Amino acid sequence: DTAVSQTPKYLVTQMGNDKSIKCEQNLGHDTMYWYKQDSKKFLKIMFSYNNKELIINETVPNRFSPKSPDKAHLNLHINSLELGDSAVYFCASSQDKFAESSYNEQFFGPGTRLTVL
Amino acid sequence: SQKIEQNSEALNIQEGKTATLTCNYTNYSPAYLQWYRQDPGRGPVFLLLIRENEKEKRKERLKVTFDTTLKQSLFHITASQPADSATYLCARPFNDYKLSFGAGTTVTVRA
Repeated sequence: DTAVSQTPKYLVTQMGNDKSIKCEQNLGHDTMYWYKQDSKKFLKIMFSYNNKELIINETVPNRFSPKSPDKAHLNLHINSLELGDSAVYFCASSQDKFAESSYNEQFFGPGTRLTVL
Repeated sequence: SQKIEQNSEALNIQEGKTATLTCNYTNYSPAYLQWYRQDPGRGPVFLLLIRENEKEKRKERLKVTFDTTLKQSLFHITASQPADSATYLCARPFNDYKLSFGAGTTVTVRA
């Protein structure tokens, strides 16, 4: 049983298009995240939701909009895609929202490789 | 900002030897440090967490140390095997809700 799943695995699209990535976790966790990993492999936090409430909103263009219909799902919608959006996007979840908690171990999904042409 | 740096992008090592990876942090000591493994095309997988008051933690062939004086954590893979080849990431709490990840060290174990 996959703990954190994302769809699609690969996404190739043209500049200017709008696309969505879906994420689901079956771990019963309250907190979910979106990370972006660029070509230099840095993992950067984009958003975090705790029990459907937004708790982290990094300096991300407002073309990126997360949506959490329930605490097991966190989707990412991207409008007007740009070349610089090409990256791997990871969804993750954790038991606890507090970074200093020992229960903040992150469980990552398999990633979505987004290529904007 | 609470930076975290892994000072080596790549580490090549002969099978059977010990690989040692370094993670340095700035400013105050975090409550803990986490270590993850990432294989190509996959998401990171949590390996170990070491708390500020713990000097050393072990899990099978993995050993992690935490030196608050040097502001450093060392990650050791003993008796390394080709299957240990992967990128290893360290992470620290960044503020109330975030983790800050290092850029990772890619380990290649030669048979």
